[in-house]
Amino acid sequence: GAVVSQHPSWVICKSGTSVKIECRSLDFQATTMFWYRQFPKQSLMLMATSNEGSKATYEQGVEKDKFLINHASLTLSTLTVTSAHPEDSSFYICSARRQEGDEQFFGPGTRLTVL
Amino acid sequence: QQQVKQSPQSLIVQKGGISIINCAYENTAFDYFPWYQQFPGKGPALLIAIRPDVSEKKEGRFTISFNKSAKQFSLHIMDSQPGDSATYFCAARKSNFGNEKLTFGTGTRLTIIP
Repeated sequence: GAVVSQHPSWVICKSGTSVKIECRSLDFQATTMFWYRQFPKQSLMLMATSNEGSKATYEQGVEKDKFLINHASLTLSTLTVTSAHPEDSSFYICSARRQEGDEQFFGPGTRLTVL
Repeated sequence: QQQVKQSPQSLIVQKGGISIINCAYENTAFDYFPWYQQFPGKGPALLIAIRPDVSEKKEGRFTISFNKSAKQFSLHIMDSQPGDSATYFCAARKSNFGNEKLTFGTGTRLTIIP
């Protein structure tokens, strides 16, 4: 099956620093990648959709200057949380789709804690 | 505006019983309806999915029932096991183009008791 990995699986940082999270499709080419955040006991909230080689499309209310998304290749997308603050602490999950097919494959998630 | 409503919020079922989770959607353009299972601290994993051209799909102990006229679909877990204890999300999406986003339900926390 198709595998999506995320790195790191968890990160703790100080307020004001930036954190980069990587999302990789290990055995397929992902034409589209999605970034979600999830608060405890809540559903997944889509932050942005990105296509390889083009700018990400952000959901309403998501600050594009704070959450920088890069989709430089068909197997790698990165999310950088800039100037992180405690309210950015959350579980960040990426997912990826092939050009053909219905299924959207999810990564294992990254737990971000900002002190 | 929430486009996919999911119920119940939590569900406790005895081992061996049937777990039933329901979802209702509003957007008639949706044509792909997956169910995801999520364990604590993990990403969601696809359980089973259906398209509106069929009314039911079964994979092992998991069945999706789909009612297009009522704009409702449900997940049935037969012979529920303690290992099924997890949070379940329904979702919906329109078209098959790669950019289209999933709209998730609010989730159901399922607990299977011995």
